[in-house]
Amino acid sequence: AQTVTQSQPEMSVQEAETVTLSCTYDTSESDYYLFWYKQPPSRQMILVIRQEAYKQQNATENRFSVNFQKAAKSFSLKISDSQLGDAAMYFCAYRSGVNQFYFGTGTSLTVIP
Amino acid sequence: KAGVTQTPRYLIKTRGQQVTLSCSPISGHRSVSWYQQTPGQGLQFLFEYFSETQRNKGNFPGRFSGRQFSNSRSEMNVSTLELGDSALYLCASSLLSGGVRANEQFFGPGTRLTVL
Repeated sequence: AQTVTQSQPEMSVQEAETVTLSCTYDTSESDYYLFWYKQPPSRQMILVIRQEAYKQQNATENRFSVNFQKAAKSFSLKISDSQLGDAAMYFCAYRSGVNQFYFGTGTSLTVIP
Repeated sequence: KAGVTQTPRYLIKTRGQQVTLSCSPISGHRSVSWYQQTPGQGLQFLFEYFSETQRNKGNFPGRFSGRQFSNSRSEMNVSTLELGDSALYLCASSLLSGGVRANEQFFGPGTRLTVL
């Protein structure tokens, strides 16, 4: 079975600085998708960024980028120029070929003004 | 487009009761997935429905069941509630089920269930 591990329950970053959230996963599939979701205190989960496993190029969305290491099964999220609005719980997710999602336990990010 | 809606937003029940939660997906989305979120456990997948059929099922007891209607709206039912069922229940919709496309899930605000 696929598992997703986020080893950092809590992280903090100074406003305007850069922070990296870690995620590793375990799978025997070759074709899959990886996602980072953000859950602010209001609880509505929103997609931050996605990565197709067959693409070698790391995905980027404005201040958010990933470091995807397929062989190492690692998928970290880098947030540049951190803003107060980035404070949230971040979940790493794996999507199998049959549309089943597996989520990590989350990393709570605090942004310090 | 309206987002995923879930009703009710908050619910308080007592042990042994049953509860039904409702989820309306984004218009045009045919897949609805349900998750249980508890502190420390993250999101645990319950099941997915696509075109009124259960496609995937997580590792939860039979007390947890669901269904999907022809308009893609979905309901989740939990019978004989236990204290451990207290959680945030999230519903997510997506356009498709399976396939090779990056099938993004859009989440609802959740239903907070408290079992006393």
